[in-house]
Amino acid sequence: GAGVSQSPSNKVTEKGKDVELRCDPISGHTALYWYRQSLGQGLEFLIYFQGNSAPDKSGLPSDRFSAERTGGSVSTLTIQRTQQEDSAVYLCASTLGPQPQETQYFGPGTRLLVL
Amino acid sequence: GENVEQHPSTLSVQEGDSAVIKCTYSDSASNYFPWYKQELGKGPQLIIDIRSNVGEKKDQRIAVTLNKTAKHFSLHITETQPEDSAVYFCAASLESNFGNEKLTFGTGTRLTIIP
Repeated sequence: GAGVSQSPSNKVTEKGKDVELRCDPISGHTALYWYRQSLGQGLEFLIYFQGNSAPDKSGLPSDRFSAERTGGSVSTLTIQRTQQEDSAVYLCASTLGPQPQETQYFGPGTRLLVL
Repeated sequence: GENVEQHPSTLSVQEGDSAVIKCTYSDSASNYFPWYKQELGKGPQLIIDIRSNVGEKKDQRIAVTLNKTAKHFSLHITETQPEDSAVYFCAASLESNFGNEKLTFGTGTRLTIIP
């Protein structure tokens, strides 16, 4: 079946502009994660959604970052007033449920470049 | 919070030889240790995982060992093939207050198999 999809695959923007990144999780998956992968670094947790529960926002680096998940499916990560240090690959992952140690399935990522 | 260190950052291995990647973690409460493979332009994909009640796990040419006392775990790939060339990430997991797996990733190892 279809995996996790993300759009756009690449995004170039100017410093100070807002960007929206989209994630479509695997159908039926109730949990969704966003990560940031900077060049030469590991994946940095940003935010977690599980069903209708309050999201775990503990990884968001600043108040310029926010995310929504509408209808328990598609999620949008918004970065306001982008800065050059926001340049990275933004990865989305989903899991079937909230059970601990479930496999996270990753999308291909959105490569964001802030000029 | 958890801190995961991964070594080496790059590794070149002759085809057919073995490759070993090592990780250490800081939080003794971590209880789940997945390994991900990331090919160019793709999201990470789980290749093997190990839980804290197990010392070793093997899946064909891939094995993972865990030493909880020393807080380190390793990935072993035997009989390496060109398609094993990729970036490999280790991770350690704590269950957060939100019930999700909070994965902390290592910084990655770029493995190159030399034909």
